[in-house]
Amino acid sequence: DVKVTQSSRYLVKRTGEKVFLECVQDMDHENMFWYRQDPGLGLRLIYFSYDVKMKEKGDIPEGYSVSREKKERFSLILESASTNQTSMYLCASSSIGRGRTNTEAFFGQGTRLTVV
Amino acid sequence: AQSVTQLGSHVSVSEGALVLLRCNYSSSVPPYLFWYVQYPNQGLQLLLKYTSAATLVKGINGFEAEFKKSETSFHLTKPSAHMSDAAEYFCAVTQNRDDKIIFGKGTRLHILP
Repeated sequence: DVKVTQSSRYLVKRTGEKVFLECVQDMDHENMFWYRQDPGLGLRLIYFSYDVKMKEKGDIPEGYSVSREKKERFSLILESASTNQTSMYLCASSSIGRGRTNTEAFFGQGTRLTVV
Repeated sequence: AQSVTQLGSHVSVSEGALVLLRCNYSSSVPPYLFWYVQYPNQGLQLLLKYTSAATLVKGINGFEAEFKKSETSFHLTKPSAHMSDAAEYFCAVTQNRDDKIIFGKGTRLHILP
């Protein structure tokens, strides 16, 4: 059974802390994504990686960074957590399509982060 | 950039009634379209995807969607709603050039007994 695993389901952090959200996939996928989900706003792309050490900013990268040192792992980093980063964070992975085929994304269970 | 628009952030239907969730896309090239479902406190899972092999696509749990190029739509339907269908549904499109997946804002489906 294919899997995307996020390290925590629930996380509570203090303002100003450095926060790491980890995501691991076992499908040998090239693409990995971090989304943020807020009520009424749907899923907004934070960062996207299409290969090891490669990354692209999504729609809302401010306040976040990412790391992809190995193909299976994609980490989201909140350099200095703030209360407006309280949200549900979803990691996903997919294989390469590049317009030749439609490859769906597989999602983790999500991490609900609360910054106090 | 490609995008999708979902009409209606909340839709309520009676159990046994037809479910219709609307999605329109903007794309100048053939789009790769998807519907995902999210149950409470879960990640998203694929409901169905458009493959260009057929305009009517069947998915899991009795859902289907019809691709209509003339209307730039990919609406999701189910003939008879079940209580277990209560969830949030997302329409999505993949950008051809870089595989980025762009989601609509979602439609929460409520099933009335």
